[in-house]
Amino acid sequence: EVQLVESGGGLVQPGGSLRLSCAASGFTFTGYWMAWVRQAPGKGLEWVANIKQDGSDKYYLASVKGRFAISRDNAENSLYLQMNTLRAEDTAVYYCAASGAGLLYWGRGTLVTVSS
Amino acid sequence: DIVMTQSPDSLAVSLGERATINCKSSQSVLSRSNNKNYLAWYQHKPGQPPKLLIYWASTRESGVPDRFSGSGSGTDFTLTISTLKAEDVAVYYCQQFYSIPNTFGQGTKLEIK
Repeated sequence: EVQLVESGGGLVQPGGSLRLSCAASGFTFTGYWMAWVRQAPGKGLEWVANIKQDGSDKYYLASVKGRFAISRDNAENSLYLQMNTLRAEDTAVYYCAASGAGLLYWGRGTLVTVSS
Repeated sequence: DIVMTQSPDSLAVSLGERATINCKSSQSVLSRSNNKNYLAWYQHKPGQPPKLLIYWASTRESGVPDRFSGSGSGTDFTLTISTLKAEDVAVYYCQQFYSIPNTFGQGTKLEIK
């Protein structure tokens, strides 16, 4: 059974940092690009970042570039998102997803709330 | 950035009837190298992660009922649910994966009339 399980969300003050993790199982992790997608309260889906199978290529949404860093550990079948200098507008449920022709597998998400 | 615009924003359809959702991209998402449209459709129900329905604009993902179909090319795309069932109530999104950022449409909320 395919599973993607996110963790690491929580309440953080503006300017703070969080590191999200995503543990993958049930599929060949190294065969897929991986992505982070978020959904702010009451809003639609927003692609945040993705990373190539071997970690050599990474791409970011302009509003998070320089603040967020995506990485992966293929030995641990894990995906990460280091989020620094967080802003109120980063408040959202963050999903990790495996990307083929479209986002095929999704986790259930982890909530990040940026508030003082 | 490629802007994805869905219409309508919300839609109410009777059970057993057809539902049609449109998606328009600000630039073509058709690759000349492989003649594929880099366009996907997702279904998102409350409390659940999004589910991939259609990729390459018209290829149904494994396990997706055949009442769901996708069509279109270039900049104009359509998701059709041929015979609406109660479990199809959800928000539907299109997404282009032709260029970075891989933008989503704003979503279309589908309800039962």
